[in-house]
Amino acid sequence: AQKITQTQPGMFVQEKEAVTLDCTYDTSDQSYGLFWYKQPSSGEMIFLIYQGSYDEQNATEGRYSLNFQKARKSANLVISASQLGDSAMYFCAMRENSGNTPLVFGKGTRLSVIA
Amino acid sequence: GAGVSQSPSNKVTEKGKDVELRCDPISGHTALYWYRQSLGQGLEFLIYFQGNSAPDKSGLPSDRFSAERTGGSVSTLTIQRTQQEDSAVYLCASSLRGQGVRSPLHFGNGTRLTVT
Repeated sequence: AQKITQTQPGMFVQEKEAVTLDCTYDTSDQSYGLFWYKQPSSGEMIFLIYQGSYDEQNATEGRYSLNFQKARKSANLVISASQLGDSAMYFCAMRENSGNTPLVFGKGTRLSVIA
Repeated sequence: GAGVSQSPSNKVTEKGKDVELRCDPISGHTALYWYRQSLGQGLEFLIYFQGNSAPDKSGLPSDRFSAERTGGSVSTLTIQRTQQEDSAVYLCASSLRGQGVRSPLHFGNGTRLTVT
């Protein structure tokens, strides 16, 4: 079974609008972490935001926020005020347990921002 | 400071040849990870190191793949007798111990391997 599911292969958003990228996950662990990465066409993987399973508040980093719904096992990324430079692949990832174990990645969502 | 460094950035090799991919993690990062990304796909976990030991080798696709890490720093991923299906971008990442589950992975720019 897939650990991380990103159901939107591609999304379009108008410049300056907000967009939500979906991510659902599957784990039986109580302690886990959720991550979002951005991969522009240049190929680098850029860490955007983190949400811990025990964090009481939704994570925010600048224009990025995470809509964390623990009971639904979803961790959707919200990008506000989209910019042309936001066009990229976005990956949701999870780490189970604790420590520096590997992240498991979803298949990604390609976001295209339209002027 | 310097980020994760991978070399070479591009490698073209003939089917059947061996290749070595190198990763130099961020100084002080004790954990090191190798992933593979085929064209237009997500990231496939290969192996990770804590210090010089590899607790999880479950992602290595076959016994043609091996990796080592020495001195708790540089790691080498070796692919023997390369096949065309090995063509992909090989990404290395490192993370800092002590941050627990919240420690993000910091990625290098990858090595694009093409097997002809």
